[in-house]
Amino acid sequence: DTEVTQTPKHLVMGMTNKKSLKCEQHMGHRAMYWYKQKAKKPPELMFVYSYEKLSINESVPSRFSPECPNSSLLNLHLHALQPEDSALYLCASSQDATSVYNEQFFGPGTRLTVL
Amino acid sequence: KQEVTQIPAALSVPEGENLVLNCSFTDSAIYNLQWFRQDPGKGLTSLLLIQSSQREQTSGRLNASLDKSSGRSTLYIAASQPGDSATYLCAFTDSWGKLQFGAGTQVVVTP
Repeated sequence: DTEVTQTPKHLVMGMTNKKSLKCEQHMGHRAMYWYKQKAKKPPELMFVYSYEKLSINESVPSRFSPECPNSSLLNLHLHALQPEDSALYLCASSQDATSVYNEQFFGPGTRLTVL
Repeated sequence: KQEVTQIPAALSVPEGENLVLNCSFTDSAIYNLQWFRQDPGKGLTSLLLIQSSQREQTSGRLNASLDKSSGRSTLYIAASQPGDSATYLCAFTDSWGKLQFGAGTQVVVTP
């Protein structure tokens, strides 16, 4: 199984809502990533988890809160978002985050709209 | 910081023509090079990965080359089809293990 799955596919939320994005992989990968992608731009790295510990936070606002409950699951908790946070949120995984030779595999993304 | 440039930004070709997509980088200290395909509103599909010690990789109609000395990678797609229409992104893995993406080339293959 070489698939990364993400739910939901689409999410519309108000600025006062709390919601979560979910990501799952069953490739035995020990590194998982969250990216944000705006229209017609490349993905921007937000967070990296390595062996279920947060290893990189790219100065992301605290209204985004990542969580890695186990080696297969990655969540992104959303609270008090702004309209400019509307974007495609991509999850990825790789064998581990300590090697620079790992290939990253991406999920289909969650299209988030903040009203 | 590594700068990654993809030229052209957009490309339209008739079906059957070969596609040549270019990716250049400023720092030769790169590790992996990945080429991705992205359909509108969808995730990234990994097409090919070249490690820094390799010169090229091939998969079906796709061939990717890597020339570290000139700071370039090229993706060739032979005998293009309308289904090849998508945005193609190149990305390098830096010394932190992070992917550094180019802005992408939007490809349209007309029937």
